[in-house]
Amino acid sequence: QQQVKQSPQSLIVQKGGISIINCAYENTAFDYFPWYQQFPGKGPALLIAIRPDVSEKKEGRFTISFNKSAKQFSLHIMDSQPGDSATYFCAAIPGTASKLTFGTGTRLQVTL
Amino acid sequence: NAGVTQTPKFQVLKTGQSMTLQCAQDMNHNSMYWYRQDPGMGLRLIYYSASEGTTDKGEVPNGYNVSRLNKREFSLRLESAAPSQTSVYFCASSEAWGLGYTFGSGTRLTVV
Repeated sequence: QQQVKQSPQSLIVQKGGISIINCAYENTAFDYFPWYQQFPGKGPALLIAIRPDVSEKKEGRFTISFNKSAKQFSLHIMDSQPGDSATYFCAAIPGTASKLTFGTGTRLQVTL
Repeated sequence: NAGVTQTPKFQVLKTGQSMTLQCAQDMNHNSMYWYRQDPGMGLRLIYYSASEGTTDKGEVPNGYNVSRLNKREFSLRLESAAPSQTSVYFCASSEAWGLGYTFGSGTRLTVV
């Protein structure tokens, strides 16, 4: 049972374009939504995270948009660069007494 | 500044063999986790340890055992390896339960 559904599975974007990755969840108890970035041969690394009391969080070219009523959140990468080519995982956790649940991942390729 | 260190990085086992994956963190984190990563399935939690002296099952614990040796070290043991356990295994740690995971670089295990 996948509690966090992520799409698309793969994404190809031209350099300078906007990359958008979407996630949806069912568990309304989730209250922390991080995104992880993973380069080939490496472990995932925390990229950016949001709590549901805000609708958007921006860090440089990376933005999380959060829609609590729709139970959806998304990652936008502005001005995508070849160095952004990686696998991205959304995740969610309900409070402090449970475990982080990951989406299935999106493989992003940014072409020249 | 090593973070989370996993050994070995690569391993090939024959069906039925046993082995232990080692993980150590130097960040004084309380919580540690073992995940496996398979194509199209994201990161699935095998076992976790919320604090020193405690361990608990995650989403896919069958065929595995763990030991929280001390605050720094958390090992994963395969008692009788099966081809279905071919995967990339990641260890992670966090200061507070569930938040801000730091991942190791992974162990790529092949069971033939």
